[in-house]
Amino acid sequence: AQSVTQPDIHITVSEGASLELRCNYSYGATPYLFWYVQSPGQGLQLLLKYFSGDTLVQGIKGFEAEFKRSQSSFNLRKPSVHWSDAAEYFCAVGAGDDKIIFGKGTRLHILP
Amino acid sequence: DAGITQSPRHKVTETGTPVTLRCHQTENHRYMYWYRQDPGHGLRLIHYSYGVKDTDKGEVSDGYSVSRSKTEDFLLTLESATSSQTSVYFCAISSGQIWETQYFGPGTRLLVL
Repeated sequence: AQSVTQPDIHITVSEGASLELRCNYSYGATPYLFWYVQSPGQGLQLLLKYFSGDTLVQGIKGFEAEFKRSQSSFNLRKPSVHWSDAAEYFCAVGAGDDKIIFGKGTRLHILP
Repeated sequence: DAGITQSPRHKVTETGTPVTLRCHQTENHRYMYWYRQDPGHGLRLIHYSYGVKDTDKGEVSDGYSVSRSKTEDFLLTLESATSSQTSVYFCAISSGQIWETQYFGPGTRLLVL
């Protein structure tokens, strides 16, 4: 069965510092992978997705993610975070049918 | 922003009462989904629809039913609400295949007393 693990429940970084959020997936075939962001009190918004081609994917708001098949990972990165990046981030994997499976999320806190 | 609305946005109800949540879209997307979000669990799929009158179960479907009589509306019904169904419910839509973006509504916060 497909699954997604986000090992970090909370992460705190200083404004201007770099960021990496970890995501590991379990899926037998080539996965469809997504990162979504949820600001407080809001619904989720897609940051980026991967389903084929270049393993380094660029998204909105300056985020990127790299698909590493050998490590079953799809980590999200940003070179310099802004206070407005404080939110909860969800990694998701596309299952074999019409559904995607979400991880439990990582809450990002930004120190001024 | 994708045209998705959810109603009501907040609801307080008592155990044992029926509750219906509505998701309405103006994008004419084929797929519609209902998720619940709980601390420590992320988002879990309750039910989804791949067309009018075509629905299927997700991973946490017990105690919930859905209906889709029109492309634009997807209803989630709690036949007899329980305290364990206190949650934030999100509707999402997508145009088709699994690699397509899902667009989320603003959520409905439900409290079952």
